[in-house]
Amino acid sequence: GAVVSQHPSRVICKSGTSVKIECRSLDFQATTMFWYRQFPKQSLMLMATSNEGSKATYEQGVEKDKFLINHASLTLSTLTVTSAHPEDSSFYICSAPSGTGDTQYFGPGTRLTVL
Amino acid sequence: QKEVEQDPGPLSVPEGAIVSLNCTYSNSAFQYFMWYRQYSRKGPELLMYTYSSGNKEDGRFTAQVDKSSKYISLFIRDSQPSDSATYLCAASNSGYALNFGKGTSLLVTP
Repeated sequence: GAVVSQHPSRVICKSGTSVKIECRSLDFQATTMFWYRQFPKQSLMLMATSNEGSKATYEQGVEKDKFLINHASLTLSTLTVTSAHPEDSSFYICSAPSGTGDTQYFGPGTRLTVL
Repeated sequence: QKEVEQDPGPLSVPEGAIVSLNCTYSNSAFQYFMWYRQYSRKGPELLMYTYSSGNKEDGRFTAQVDKSSKYISLFIRDSQPSDSATYLCAASNSGYALNFGKGTSLLVTP
């Protein structure tokens, strides 16, 4: 299957700092990518849809000024958590649709811990 | 009510058992159905993908979709300890907006 990578895999930061997470499609192009958040023992919750060359679409309740998304190229989307707080600590996972657009491939996830 | 419901378990079975994992969904427009496996602290891995109703088999795994009853199943034959993970079902009317179940935690004991 298609490969999606994320970097970093784990990050620990102080409260108030900003953290950038990268999501790359390694062997295919993705005009759309998705960002999810997963709390312990919970399912994935879609945060936003990242669109190459245009603004991201955010799900209800997700602060777009706090979670900045940039889809700079057909293989790279970034999520920046601005002014992170302990409640932002979570597992952030990105995905990209398959070439046929009928399923998604997920990255390995980034574990964010805000102290 | 969530659009996709899944019993979170945990489900514990002995090695070699047949495992049955199930989900129900409420949106009759869903056409695409997926099962993902997620190991602890890892991203979900696509296991099975089914379009519309029917069965799909891949090795020890069989996915079933019954659209008349809005029921999704995953069967694992000859379960192994390495199958211990959380299994997430997902449904969508396209590949874009996936609706996930809560995930079922499976433990296969030697």
